[in-house]
Amino acid sequence: QVQLVQSGAEVKKPGASVKVSCKASGYTFTGYYMHWVRQAPGQGLEWMGWVNPKSGGANYAQKFQGRVTMTRDTSISTAYMELRRLRSDDTAVYYCARFSSGSPTPYFDYWGQGTLVTVSS
Amino acid sequence: DIQMTQSPSSLSASVGDRVTITCRASQSITNYLNWYQQKPGKAPKLLIYAASSLQSGVPSRFSGSGSGTDFTLTISSLQPEDFATYYCQQSYSTPQTFGQGTKVEIK
Repeated sequence: QVQLVQSGAEVKKPGASVKVSCKASGYTFTGYYMHWVRQAPGQGLEWMGWVNPKSGGANYAQKFQGRVTMTRDTSISTAYMELRRLRSDDTAVYYCARFSSGSPTPYFDYWGQGTLVTVSS
Repeated sequence: DIQMTQSPSSLSASVGDRVTITCRASQSITNYLNWYQQKPGKAPKLLIYAASSLQSGVPSRFSGSGSGTDFTLTISSLQPEDFATYYCQQSYSTPQTFGQGTKVEIK
């Protein structure tokens, strides 16, 4: 069965970086784009970007351009999201989500369990 | 960016009630509209894709309709496990965008 298992919670100081991992199993890792979505406490869902596990190419939301890098390691079927220069308003749960681009329209069909990143001095 | 607006932001309903949530896109997204359910402390779960297609394993009391800019999620008979927050999401163009959510609470 498809599973996305994320790394554990992190506490970081403002200005630091965080790298969250998302290990995929139960399907061909290179066959589906992996997206990252975050959710601040009590707030809605915010799309951050995607990584193409096959090519390594990535695309980021304009809001995060220059601060985020999404990568992957195909040898261990794992996607990563690194966010730099953390601020207090980056405190959120970060999710990876598999993007199914099949017919008729694309959607996020599997999600990781979420990783809480707390930014606090 | 395409803006997604849900209404209402919250509602109170009783078990057995019919519940309708609407989602409006700022421009036409044809049928590139998905609905997710999220319970506290859990990841979102896909309910409906392509505006009206039921995801495998999702109870048939959930249904979706609409096209263009206006969409609806309906729960025909609300069950205790349906109390959650519901989000619409457009997959028509990048950036993917979500509605602000509709919290369904117990009356």
